[in-house]
Amino acid sequence: AQTVTQSQPEMSVQEAETVTLSCTYDTSESDYYLFWYKQPPSRQMILVIRQEAYKQQNATENRFSVNFQKAAKSFSLKISDSQLGDAAMYFCVSSGNTPLVFGKGTRLSVIA
Amino acid sequence: DVKVTQSSRYLVKRTGEKVFLECVQDMDHENMFWYRQDPGLGLRLIYFSYDVKMKEKGDIPEGYSVSREKKERFSLILESASTNQTSMYLCASSLLKVEKLFFGSGTQLSVL
Repeated sequence: AQTVTQSQPEMSVQEAETVTLSCTYDTSESDYYLFWYKQPPSRQMILVIRQEAYKQQNATENRFSVNFQKAAKSFSLKISDSQLGDAAMYFCVSSGNTPLVFGKGTRLSVIA
Repeated sequence: DVKVTQSSRYLVKRTGEKVFLECVQDMDHENMFWYRQDPGLGLRLIYFSYDVKMKEKGDIPEGYSVSREKKERFSLILESASTNQTSMYLCASSLLKVEKLFFGSGTQLSVL
């Protein structure tokens, strides 16, 4: 069974600064995907970034990037130039041959 | 634009009532999912379906059932609602089994 662990229940960052959210996962699949989803106060889940496990290159989406360490089964999210709109719950997600498995989430606060 | 619609945003029910949570997607997706979200627990999979008339149990199916008579509609049924089923319920769909999920905006269910 897949598991996803987010060890930071809450984090905060100053506006315009950089923050990194941690995630580790465990899977027996050889081919899988990893995702970061964001859930703002509106409750709508929004895909932030996606990484295919077979790709060595770390995915980036504008101010969001990941550090994917396959051997260590680590998948952290870096948010650069943090904005007030980045305040949300962030979920790390793993997907193999089974439905997506979610971590427990990290609540990110952005301080003006 | 793609859309997953959940019939109610907020719902209040009495213990013992039969509750139906409806979810409709307009993207012709094969795969549909029901998750439950509780603070500190992340999202947990209740049931999923990879095809019409097909359903599979997720991690926490007890006390729930589902119906998928048409491709676009996936209903979650609480046969006899209990207070421990008070939660946020999220429906999602995807084109491929391991691909990005598209989420509805959630139903906050309170069982009194």
